[in-house]
Parts: sequence; C-alpha cells; structure tokens
Amino acid sequence: DTAVSQTPKYLVTQMGNDKSIKCEQNLGHDTMYWYKQDSKKFLKIMFSYNNKELIINETVPNRFSPKSPDKAHLNLHINSLELGDSAVYFCASSQDETGTYEQYFGPGTRLTVT
Amino acid sequence: GIQVEQSPPDLILQEGANSTLRCNFSDSVNNLQWFHQNPWGQLINLFYIPSGTKQNGRLSATTVATERYSLLYISSSQTTDSGVYFCAVEQPNDYKLSFGAGTTVTVRA
Repeated sequence: DTAVSQTPKYLVTQMGNDKSIKCEQNLGHDTMYWYKQDSKKFLKIMFSYNNKELIINETVPNRFSPKSPDKAHLNLHINSLELGDSAVYFCASSQDETGTYEQYFGPGTRLTVT
Repeated sequence: GIQVEQSPPDLILQEGANSTLRCNFSDSVNNLQWFHQNPWGQLINLFYIPSGTKQNGRLSATTVATERYSLLYISSSQTTDSGVYFCAVEQPNDYKLSFGAGTTVTVRA
C-alpha cells in the first residue's frame, strides 16, 4: 500500500502549456504539502494545506494553483509553463499542522519544460 | 527564517567504513527529520528525531536540541547507502519543513 502517491511520475511538456500533478495520501492525515526540488537538489516548501484550507503560500508565482478537493488529495495545477519550472515536485503529508509529527513524502514528479 | 547547515557537503567512503553526518540549525525546533534520497530520486524517511537518540539497523541518529545540532551515523557502509542525505527541521507554527543543502554520500565497492 502506497502511503503518499503522485501522478504522473514524469511529465515532459512545452513552454506555455498548462499541466496538473495529482497527489493522494491514504494515511488519514490532515495536512498536505507541495515541495519543489531544483536542479541543485535544494528542497523548498511551496504550499501547505490543513483540512483542505491553505495555510502557507511561500511566494510562489500565481501560475501555480493548488487545489484540495478533500483531506486526502492535494493537486497542483501550473499555467503557462516556463523553462524555470523544470524541477522535481514532491507531495507530502503529516498528521496535523503543528509540526510535532513526521512528514511522509511521495515519490516525486519530474517536470521537464522544453 | 531558520538556517539549516549540513556538513560535509560531499563524502566518499570505502565499503565497510563508518561515517558521521552533521546538521546544525539556528533556532529551536519541534520537528527534525533525516531523509535519504536514493539515486532514483525517492525521499526515504530515516528518522523523526526532534531530540534524543534512535537506531535503525546500521543507521543511528542523535539530536541535541539544546545545542541545536543533530548527527547521523552510518556504520559498515554499503554501496546501497549512496545518495543524498537531507536534514530538515520545523519550528512551532511554521507549517513547513526547512531543508539543509544535503550531504552527497558515495560508497565505493
């Protein structure tokens, strides 16, 4: 059983296109996150959601729009893709937003914009 | 924001060697995790260790929260230990993990 899953695993697309990445967790957690890993392997938070409500938007361009239809899902939609959006995007979840519980990460989605 | 510094940045080991990775952080935290990113890019949880000492097989970790550092010990290293090791911390009411830059470990047969 996969705890945190993401689809697709790889995404290759052209500049200007719109794409979505989906994330699901079956851990019963309240809090979900999107992180971005750049080409230098640096990992940085993009968004945090608790019980479907946005609690962090870490200065991400508004071309990125997260959506949480329910506690178990957090999707990431990206409009007008740019070359600089090429990265690996990780979804994660934790029991709640207090920071006193472990975060579990999905397998990542490697996005390549050409 | 909180600063997380990992050392060394790169480590080359002969199979069977032991090593210690260090993570320093600049403020108090209520969450500290160690991850291993394998060559396929997967982030694998190694330890949730905001304080104290834990062991899991050949790996162990110690966090001294009052002195703001954590150590990850790898004993009898194997080639499968290769990859990038990340330390990440979370402060109260921060709602996110802040990651260090990682230590790239290469274990040679």
